Amino acid sequence: DVKVTQSSRYLVKRTGEKVFLECVQDMDHENMFWYRQDPGLGLRLIYFSYDVKMKEKGDIPEGYSVSREKKERFSLILESASTNQTSMYLCASSLSTSGTDTQYFGPGTRLTVL
Amino acid sequence: QKEVEQDPGPLSVPEGAIVSLNCTYSNSAFQYFMWYRQYSRKGPELLMYTYSSGNKEDGRFTAQVDKSSKYISLFIRDSQPSDSATYLCAMKDSRNRDDKIIFGKGTRLHILP
Repeated sequence: DVKVTQSSRYLVKRTGEKVFLECVQDMDHENMFWYRQDPGLGLRLIYFSYDVKMKEKGDIPEGYSVSREKKERFSLILESASTNQTSMYLCASSLSTSGTDTQYFGPGTRLTVL
Repeated sequence: QKEVEQDPGPLSVPEGAIVSLNCTYSNSAFQYFMWYRQYSRKGPELLMYTYSSGNKEDGRFTAQVDKSSKYISLFIRDSQPSDSATYLCAMKDSRNRDDKIIFGKGTRLHILP
């Protein structure tokens, strides 16, 4: 079974703090993704990575950065947290063979920025 | 027109009923179709996937794709209270690895005991 884990289930931070969200997958997947999920807006892709030290912007990268130093780990960084970044953050991974890469999700981190 | 449209619900049905969940899409290049189930405060989990048109059955669940109408469905037979969740459709043009998965916004389903 694919296992995607995220470092925290719930996190409360203050405006202006630097926030790190960690994601680890144990299935040697090449691809990793960060989404945020908000009521009425669905899943929105923030950043993704197809390989170590590689990153691509998704649909809403502003205010975020990512790091992928090891294949199994993909970190999302909020450089200076703001209240509009309060959301559910979901990490996903997929095995890249052809284009049919089904994504497997972690349990999510519910971040509140005060 | 949005790429993927999905009625947000909520959809409430009595236990034992057949549930039909649907999505429409606009991109005729989509070939790979998925359904995810998401329980409250959890991450989405893959329920079923199909490639191109046709039906796929897995236990009480049947996924159906009609590419001519750009319409996909998920049927749940003998629905149970444990099926109460949000169901997200997702799809992709599978020919290119750089194409992203496009998700619907999800339909909230309540199965009433």
